[in-house]
Amino acid sequence: AQSVTQLDSQVPVFEEAPVELRCNYSSSVSVYLFWYVQYPNQGLQLLLKYLSGSTLVKGINGFEAEFNKSQTSFHLRKPSVHISDTAEYFCAVWNTNAGKSTFGDGTTLTVKP
Amino acid sequence: DTGVSQNPRHKITKRGQNVTFRCDPISEHNRLYWYRQTLGQGPEFLTYFQNEAQLEKSRLLSDRFSAERPKGSFSTLEIQRTEQGDSAMYLCASELGQGNTGELFFGEGSRLTVL
Repeated sequence: AQSVTQLDSQVPVFEEAPVELRCNYSSSVSVYLFWYVQYPNQGLQLLLKYLSGSTLVKGINGFEAEFNKSQTSFHLRKPSVHISDTAEYFCAVWNTNAGKSTFGDGTTLTVKP
Repeated sequence: DTGVSQNPRHKITKRGQNVTFRCDPISEHNRLYWYRQTLGQGPEFLTYFQNEAQLEKSRLLSDRFSAERPKGSFSTLEIQRTEQGDSAMYLCASELGQGNTGELFFGEGSRLTVL
């Protein structure tokens, strides 16, 4: 069994400020890690992924995330946010044995002018 | 557009009626997933297919729910005798299936409202 915990349900931040969205996971098997973004009335889009190798991964729109195996975390960061980054962000864990993903409950990022 | 396509986008129905949703995945993707998303929660896994074979069904999926992928291409999700608790967004996603990277490509979802 595996689970994903997104530690903040809502994160308000001012434009051009840095942001971190936190994600912890638990799993008894090997996993891949993902962040997806969902804009209003749209489906989820891949932001970035960690499969192996360098623990710092870069994604679209200036986002990056760092995989920390000892802390079982995969926090998402952006050094300077824009109004257009306002959206729902989901952390997901892919179970390589079962072939499916488990999602967190999401973090609503609201960027204010 | 060669992305994942879902229809209808919105469905309003009365309790007790049957509804069916369709998903057309990206053509070369072998795996197709159905998830359910309610307000304030992340997508919950319902079921998935490898080509035409249904490989797993969640315990969340009652016997009123059935999914098919008859030719390994499009899939349908049918809900019989709908209940108000079935109101949710039903998301379809596809994955390449080869190499098992886990990257899911989502459709825009089908929103179900049961009155």
